Amino acid sequence: DAGVIQSPRHEVTEMGQEVTLRCKPISGHDYLFWYRQTMMRGLELLIYFNNNVPIDDSGMPEDRFSAKMPNASFSTLKIQPSEPRDSAVYFCASSFRAFNSPLHFGNGTRLTVT
Amino acid sequence: AQTVTQSQPEMSVQEAETVTLSCTYDTSESDYYLFWYKQPPSRQMILVIRQEAYKQQNATENRFSVNFQKAAKSFSLKISDSQLGDAAMYFCACSSNTGKLIFGQGTTLQVKP
Repeated sequence: DAGVIQSPRHEVTEMGQEVTLRCKPISGHDYLFWYRQTMMRGLELLIYFNNNVPIDDSGMPEDRFSAKMPNASFSTLKIQPSEPRDSAVYFCASSFRAFNSPLHFGNGTRLTVT
Repeated sequence: AQTVTQSQPEMSVQEAETVTLSCTYDTSESDYYLFWYKQPPSRQMILVIRQEAYKQQNATENRFSVNFQKAAKSFSLKISDSQLGDAAMYFCACSSNTGKLIFGQGTTLQVKP
């Protein structure tokens, strides 16, 4: 089991550019989460999916953010256009029956928008 | 709506001593789970311990134990015999029966040799 795989590990981009973060969950897991971590706000839940369907996207900060899960083994988080305040570490996590199961986190993507 | 509050941004403990990290939460659900996660400088998120809300007995994992006070909605983490490798940021989290998992702000723990 390779764990949750996120790419890229680091991303540096200029303001206004489109950014796409990728995640491959653990095989067999039916929940997938996207979190954003900053010093000021801690770990914020952006959106989560169950069986590839978005369940709650109330944490997505603006329309500039979008997330998709086209199949059980892949998800993307896209920011278009990016802004300096989007700079953060973005984590993807997956679990099997999330309610009582621990999340398995990827190593995160550190995004820097200049 | 669920909320999780960690009121201690930073804590420190002497190696081999005991430290307690505080966490309070709020949820309208009757059935939920509580978790503590550890994040060392490597950025990796590691599960430390979890507690089922309907179980009165406090969870224990080796040197880590919790004090779960359901009526007070309190879920503190006790680390006994602290080791240098325990230095990390610790997050408290609460899950709902829809699968939503909300984290607190985190507490940075420093372990002094």
